[in-house]
Amino acid sequence: AQSVTQLDSQVPVFEEAPVELRCNYSSSVSVYLFWYVQYPNQGLQLLLKYLSGSTLVKGINGFEAEFNKSQTSFHLRKPSVHISDTAEYFCAVSEMGSYDKVIFGPGTSLSVIP
Amino acid sequence: GAVVSQHPSRVICKSGTSVKIECRSLDFQATTMFWYRQFPKQSLMLMATSNEGSKATYEQGVEKDKFLINHASLTLSTLTVTSAHPEDSSFYICSARIGINYGYTFGSGTRLTVV
Repeated sequence: AQSVTQLDSQVPVFEEAPVELRCNYSSSVSVYLFWYVQYPNQGLQLLLKYLSGSTLVKGINGFEAEFNKSQTSFHLRKPSVHISDTAEYFCAVSEMGSYDKVIFGPGTSLSVIP
Repeated sequence: GAVVSQHPSRVICKSGTSVKIECRSLDFQATTMFWYRQFPKQSLMLMATSNEGSKATYEQGVEKDKFLINHASLTLSTLTVTSAHPEDSSFYICSARIGINYGYTFGSGTRLTVV
């Protein structure tokens, strides 16, 4: 079975500063990887996903993530954050060949300080 | 893009009653839908996988007789919380896989409060 770890439960960062949200996963087979954002009392919105190919994935809102198979990581980055980026961010994994269920990490609360 | 419409967004019910939550895929056919539960300040926990025309598959620890899932058509899946109790109060979210691009789209969630 796979699992996802997000080591930072809360990340405060000043506006226009860069940010990295960490994600590590564990799985015995190859996986697909996702980052989602959730605003208060709302559903989830896909930021980006890694299926195969280039390990650097670019998503919406200026976010990008890099898949590192040897370190089993998929860290999310943004070079300059905005107040509107304040939200909960979830890293998620799905095993290739499974019946498609997605397992979520515990989430990282990003707070952008003006 | 692919949209999943989830209703109601908020519901308050009395303890012992049942509540039905609907998720509809608006512009695509969802052969598989996933139901998640989210407690405050916590992550999403997969409850069950719903396949059109067949019985849902429940995750370990989820009571299938309490959380009834029906996926009778390619555009509608429902979750019924039967005999609800205050501990069932939570945020419930559905999700559907989108075609060959292997993405998922999520409903906007239902905030259930049992009093």
